Amino acid sequence: GQGVEQPAKLMSVEGTFARVNCTYSTSGFNGLSWYQQREGQAPVFLSYVVLDGLKDSGHFSTFLSRSNGYSYLLLTELQIKDSASYLCAVRDRGTGGYKVVFGSGTRLLVSP
Amino acid sequence: NAGVIQTPRHKVTGKGQEATLWCEPISGHSAVFWYRQTIVQGLEFLTYFRNQAPIDDSGMPKERFSAQMPNQSHSTLKIQSTQPQDSAVYLCASSLVGNQNTLYFGAGTRLSVL
Repeated sequence: GQGVEQPAKLMSVEGTFARVNCTYSTSGFNGLSWYQQREGQAPVFLSYVVLDGLKDSGHFSTFLSRSNGYSYLLLTELQIKDSASYLCAVRDRGTGGYKVVFGSGTRLLVSP
Repeated sequence: NAGVIQTPRHKVTGKGQEATLWCEPISGHSAVFWYRQTIVQGLEFLTYFRNQAPIDDSGMPKERFSAQMPNQSHSTLKIQSTQPQDSAVYLCASSLVGNQNTLYFGAGTRLSVL
């Protein structure tokens, strides 16, 4: 069936890295996006991928494997302020067009 | 550019009352999405419009939920006979029709049904 899955929590240490995983199953894949959501705030767009491979955007990088229905968001040189929820969103074929379906989000906690 | 505007920010209703939530998308954005977010369910898709036309309402609970987009500058989500399980943050997002992989969210309306 259709769905987007993410681990609920992830912990890492300041100055290191964190990899946020996302797996999905779709009727008709048409792109995957990552969003950051801080407590009490709305999601904010980070990155978008539609082709396989690694997309390096500096502090945030994203990887996609369409054949495996898998993506990850890689955060490097972590800072305390990177503590937030990270949401994976897949554009999937719906009844009349493409709708955007989100995972439940991974809550990243960066400790000193 | 004021971004996506949602009103009210907070709404408290009694069980069985009606609630209407408003969304003003970013000017020029012709795709409008509604989501509901709770701790348990995460961010759930409800419905979306493209050029004011309803495209997919597969996430809308039947019977009590309805959404409209009477003009390009606003959309409404109406919940009739609200129930405690409707309590959530309702988020509206907009995007360019040709770039629906980049959504811009409003701050949300927190609905509390007592």
